[in-house]
Amino acid sequence: AQKVTQAQTEISVVEKEDVTLDCVYETRDTTYYLFWYKQPPSGELVFLIRRNSFDEQNEISGRYSWNFQKSTSSFNFTITASQVVDSAVYFCALKNTGFQKLVFGTGTRLLVSP
Amino acid sequence: DTGVSQDPRHKITKRGQNVTFRCDPISEHNRLYWYRQTLGQGPEFLTYFQNEAQLEKSRLLSDRFSAERPKGSFSTLEIQRTEQGDSAMYLCASSFSRAGGPTDTQYFGPGTRLTVL
Repeated sequence: AQKVTQAQTEISVVEKEDVTLDCVYETRDTTYYLFWYKQPPSGELVFLIRRNSFDEQNEISGRYSWNFQKSTSSFNFTITASQVVDSAVYFCALKNTGFQKLVFGTGTRLLVSP
Repeated sequence: DTGVSQDPRHKITKRGQNVTFRCDPISEHNRLYWYRQTLGQGPEFLTYFQNEAQLEKSRLLSDRFSAERPKGSFSTLEIQRTEQGDSAMYLCASSFSRAGGPTDTQYFGPGTRLTVL
């Protein structure tokens, strides 16, 4: 079975605060891929990152960083020095090898106030 | 590059009517996907095409739903005899896959919001 859990329904922060969005996944496969997407109010899902199960290196892209820990089945996303434009719903997704569908979590709504 | 486009962006219909949505993928993307997203939920997979072949269908895709991708380019999703439970955002995504390559990334369109009265 494949499942993605994003336990944080909504997070509110003030601009310039750091914030971490949690993602826990379940899969029986040893090879899989994890993704993060951003959905701003306009509705379009924007791809942020893809990580395969063999690559446990953390990644940093500007103010964004991702922490992949296979031992705890987690793929957390941190925004440093948050900005109002970061306000959106963020989705974590899982894809198993051999299947094309993405399995999404329920999303975390991030509200960044000035 | 032009992204994935979907038409219409909004559709309001009465229960029992048929509706059709169109998706134009990113040029040269050989895979096309349909998802459905209801309020407060993540997108749920419906089906996908590799070129013109429909290769995977979710159990969510009831007999009232049909999708086509006749020439391996744009795709249509039709819902017959709409029900109020069909009200949702219908998202299309596309990706480029090559044999032996790494898994492809799906790029999403803006969606079509369907309201069934």
